[in-house]
Amino acid sequence: NAGVTQTPKFQVLKTGQSMTLQCAQDMNHEYMSWYRQDPGMGLRLIHYSVGAGITDQGEVPNGYNVSRSTTEDFPLRLLSAAPSQTSVYFCASSYSGLGTSYNSPLHFGNGTRLTVT
Amino acid sequence: GENVEQHPSTLSVQEGDSAVIKCTYSDSASNYFPWYKQELGKRPQLIIDIRSNVGEKKDQRIAVTLNKTAKHFSLHITETQPEDSAVYFCASGNTGKLIFGQGTTLQVKP
Repeated sequence: NAGVTQTPKFQVLKTGQSMTLQCAQDMNHEYMSWYRQDPGMGLRLIHYSVGAGITDQGEVPNGYNVSRSTTEDFPLRLLSAAPSQTSVYFCASSYSGLGTSYNSPLHFGNGTRLTVT
Repeated sequence: GENVEQHPSTLSVQEGDSAVIKCTYSDSASNYFPWYKQELGKRPQLIIDIRSNVGEKKDQRIAVTLNKTAKHFSLHITETQPEDSAVYFCASGNTGKLIFGQGTTLQVKP
């Protein structure tokens, strides 16, 4: 299994440009989420999804859109990039464990380093 | 909204000493409390986790304690080694939606 795959690894955007960060997982995990990581701020939840067709906002959703049309993919869209969105973005997935006593840990991708100038 | 506070933000110990990192959370519905280690330029990696129906869990030199009444949990690392130097994050929530603390930079001096 490849696990959680994020593309691209690095990206530079100009203010106002749009782009999509890709995330795919091959573990058949129901849950997927996007985090951004800034120095001293930890990992902040942007959006998350508990299954195909279901998404919800996290702590810092403004400026970002998501959709979950398949179990495998969870793209993150920046419609009009701003310098404040310069960050490292991590996608993560986990098994739901519903009906069991098992809490599945988050599996993280390798991250996308985004710079907005 | 949900909030997780983590302390200290930096921690420096001598090799062989113990290190303790503490977190408090606000959401009473949280039932899952993992700890992640992140080395420079790498993705976070799970080191230990605990569920809300368990008070303590240990894995070799690492242990986590949970006090649901007080809404706080702690990471204990004994016999620290230089390779333990990294940033550590606590998190709380439910599988699928985890809120992370701000992180603790641990430095273990040889």
